[in-house]
Amino acid sequence: QLQLQESGPGLVKPSETLSLTCTVSGGSISSSSFYWVWIRQPPGKGLEWIGSIYYTGTAYYNPSLKSRVTISVDTSKNQFSLKLNSVTAADTAVYYCARTERSTYYPTDYWGQGTLVTVSS
Amino acid sequence: DIQMTQSPSSLSASVGDTVTITCRASQTIRTYLNWYQQKPGKAPKLLISAASSLQSDVPSRFSGSGSGTDFILTISSLQPEDFATYFCQQSYNTPELTFGGGTKVEIK
Repeated sequence: QLQLQESGPGLVKPSETLSLTCTVSGGSISSSSFYWVWIRQPPGKGLEWIGSIYYTGTAYYNPSLKSRVTISVDTSKNQFSLKLNSVTAADTAVYYCARTERSTYYPTDYWGQGTLVTVSS
Repeated sequence: DIQMTQSPSSLSASVGDTVTITCRASQTIRTYLNWYQQKPGKAPKLLISAASSLQSDVPSRFSGSGSGTDFILTISSLQPEDFATYFCQQSYNTPELTFGGGTKVEIK
């Protein structure tokens, strides 16, 4: 059974960089069949796609966050990572890593449990 | 980019009711539409892909329909475990994804 697990600091100071890692177990991140995705959800609000990465390292970003986001992949560790710089209180959210199938209709079928990141001094 | 609009944003219903949730895309997305259920403190769970294809572990009281720009999620005979928030998502522009704002289904 595929599992995804987010890890990283739960508290980040304003203007600093938020860094999270997603460890994938029960399957290979190097499969050509999937994108690996970061999604966030501010408290009490909806879901926002941050970006996706393919195992080759090709990344795609939400235009509204593109100037501050970097997503990378480490196939040797079966992990992918998120960096969001110059954070503000508006970046406080539960951050999820997930998998999107590169099949006919691209469902996002596996999700991590999510990790709350609070931006505060 | 494609905008997704869900309605209503919340609704109250009783056990046994039939509930419908609407999702509208700002441009045609054919049937590249997925539905998710989220319970408090949990990650979203995929219910329906390709607008109407039920995931194997999802009860048959859930159904999806629509194509183009207008989509519906129907829950027949609402059960206590169905009280949750539901999100639609377009995957037409994959890997760029967009979600609807969500519909919270509450107990009347």
